[in-house]
Amino acid sequence: DTAVSQTPKYLVTQMGNDKSIKCEQNLGHDTMYWYKQDSKKFLKIMFSYNNKELIINETVPNRFSPKSPDKAHLNLHINSLELGDSAVYFCASSLAINFRREKNEQFFGPGTRLTVL
Amino acid sequence: GDSVTQMEGPVTLSEEAFLTINCTYTATGYPSLFWYVQYPGEGLQLLLKATKADDKGSNKGFEATYRKETTSFHLEKGSVQVSDSAVYFCALGGGGNKLTFGTGTQLKVEL
Repeated sequence: DTAVSQTPKYLVTQMGNDKSIKCEQNLGHDTMYWYKQDSKKFLKIMFSYNNKELIINETVPNRFSPKSPDKAHLNLHINSLELGDSAVYFCASSLAINFRREKNEQFFGPGTRLTVL
Repeated sequence: GDSVTQMEGPVTLSEEAFLTINCTYTATGYPSLFWYVQYPGEGLQLLLKATKADDKGSNKGFEATYRKETTSFHLEKGSVQVSDSAVYFCALGGGGNKLTFGTGTQLKVEL
């Protein structure tokens, strides 16, 4: 009955590796997002997808590639991991990108803590 | 571009004290405003929101009023509890439903 789920919860890996984080929502939402939270708790959007189409790409290095196989999933693949990629990554979803604002809040997953050694 | 400024933490209060966390914003157009809360080790939960000027969002004893004239959305609670200890984020919902967050304010409530 989890609304937005992410796997794994923790990910520890070496520099230079490639890794993926998966996100699934069972809310029937059309829009999904990835946010990065750094060590100082600052949150910044990375990507958003609406109905499997990329909408927002916030000047994220192209080592980060989101993939949306269907509306309920938005996965994040990271190539050639660097120390600075260590952070907590949050997935979120909302009804639709231009749905009326009264109902368009974002629901967040529990986060994936990525540690690059 | 859009930006959100909120007061630096940590804020340490005694239980039953009054809480104010200041938040101001800069935005084009008429954004929606949100407060999210992050409890230790958890994801973000929506605490309250306001979608237009003079709206008041409220939840669990917390309140915030959308003030267009002062571009502010300050969070208040009349009597905090130890269980309110968390990090509070003010956020602005802009174009493409993109959320722009403030830096977060850590609240510690002590007995």
